[in-house]
Amino acid sequence: GAVVSQHPSRVICKSGTSVKIECRSLDFQATTMFWYRQFPKQSLMLMATSNEGSKATYEQGVEKDKFLINHASLTLSTLTVTSAHPEDSSFYICSAGANRDLHFGNGTRLTVT
Amino acid sequence: GENVEQHPSTLSVQEGDSAVIKCTYSDSASNYFPWYKQELGKRPQLIIDIRSNVGEKKDQRIAVTLNKTAKHFSLHITETQPEDSAVYFCAASSGGSYIPTFGRGTSLIVHP
Repeated sequence: GAVVSQHPSRVICKSGTSVKIECRSLDFQATTMFWYRQFPKQSLMLMATSNEGSKATYEQGVEKDKFLINHASLTLSTLTVTSAHPEDSSFYICSAGANRDLHFGNGTRLTVT
Repeated sequence: GENVEQHPSTLSVQEGDSAVIKCTYSDSASNYFPWYKQELGKRPQLIIDIRSNVGEKKDQRIAVTLNKTAKHFSLHITETQPEDSAVYFCAASSGGSYIPTFGRGTSLIVHP
């Protein structure tokens, strides 16, 4: 089946630094990938839709200059949290569609100290 | 846009009991309703889905029902086991979209 790999699984960084999260589709090509954010005990909130070879589409309220998305190939999308602050601490999950199903990465637990 | 409401937010049952989670949606164009199970700190995993051309679907201990007229769908888990403990999300999407709208989630706790 379709596998989506996400790295790192956990990251701790200091305020003001940037963190890059990678999302790879291992056995299929994904022209579109999705980035979600999940706060504790809350639902998955779509942040942006990543399109291969073009600019990402951000949901309302998501700062595109803070959450940089690059989708340079059919199998890799990256999310960079720039100038991270403690309030950016969250669980970030990517996903990609294949065969009309949505396949999720394992998620990245980001802690900003 | 679509709005998905999910209830209850927390559900506690004894092992062997049944559990029912209910969702409503607002967009009559929605035609695909997946259910995801998410264990703590892990990825959501699709456990069952239903499309708008059927009213019920069953897979072993899990079943989903859909009432298009009322715009609600439900997840039924029978003979619950401790390993069923997780957060369950319902979702709705339309057409060929891979962008579902998720419900808020239900934390299911199955006590041994």
